[in-house]
Amino acid sequence: EPEVTQTPSHQVTQMGQEVILRCVPISNHLYFYWYRQILGQKVEFLVSFYNNEISEKSEIFDDQFSVERPDGSNFTLKIRSTKLEDSAMYFCASSPGQGVDTQYFGPGTRLTVL
Amino acid sequence: SQKIEQNSEALNIQEGKTATLTCNYTNYSPAYLQWYRQDPGRGPVFLLLIRENEKEKRKERLKVTFDTTLKQSLFHITASQPADSATYLCALQTRTGFQKLVFGTGTRLLVSP
Repeated sequence: EPEVTQTPSHQVTQMGQEVILRCVPISNHLYFYWYRQILGQKVEFLVSFYNNEISEKSEIFDDQFSVERPDGSNFTLKIRSTKLEDSAMYFCASSPGQGVDTQYFGPGTRLTVL
Repeated sequence: SQKIEQNSEALNIQEGKTATLTCNYTNYSPAYLQWYRQDPGRGPVFLLLIRENEKEKRKERLKVTFDTTLKQSLFHITASQPADSATYLCALQTRTGFQKLVFGTGTRLLVSP
């Protein structure tokens, strides 16, 4: 069964450094998403992406964040200058068509900012 | 303010019993409500979706109800098994921001043999 994959599974970085989290969505899906989950808290929406542009973003997704689909398979989340409070699990998800479709989540990348 | 509330305390039940989890929301008008399962350190896994004009949805041992008057959804697992132990998340989608899922905090279910 096709699945969303994410790399790395765990990323440790120093405060102020840039990180890029990578995702390979399911191949025929059209909508892509990033969510994050701070330890012990709820899963929070960051951004959705369709047709090579951001279609919706949350207040969390400020100028420090950016997303890109550099080729036909990868979908990346970049954090330019990491802060301690960016430490969280970051989940990529994809869906086949309209957003009301089931969203399929990847296993997550645990980001630790020291 | 907008809230999605699920029982923060873990629900402990015995194998074979029916587990019932609650999701209450305020100041939302969801067009869709979804239930996901999340295991520790893993991403959410989709279980069921119910639309605002549907009262009930079933899939194998799972049943979801949706009451837009009470602003509540109930999620039932019948004949529960230890393998059902996990955190269960409800998530709303509204008509305007329908692409994003707005999650509750989840309820941890523990099924003992």
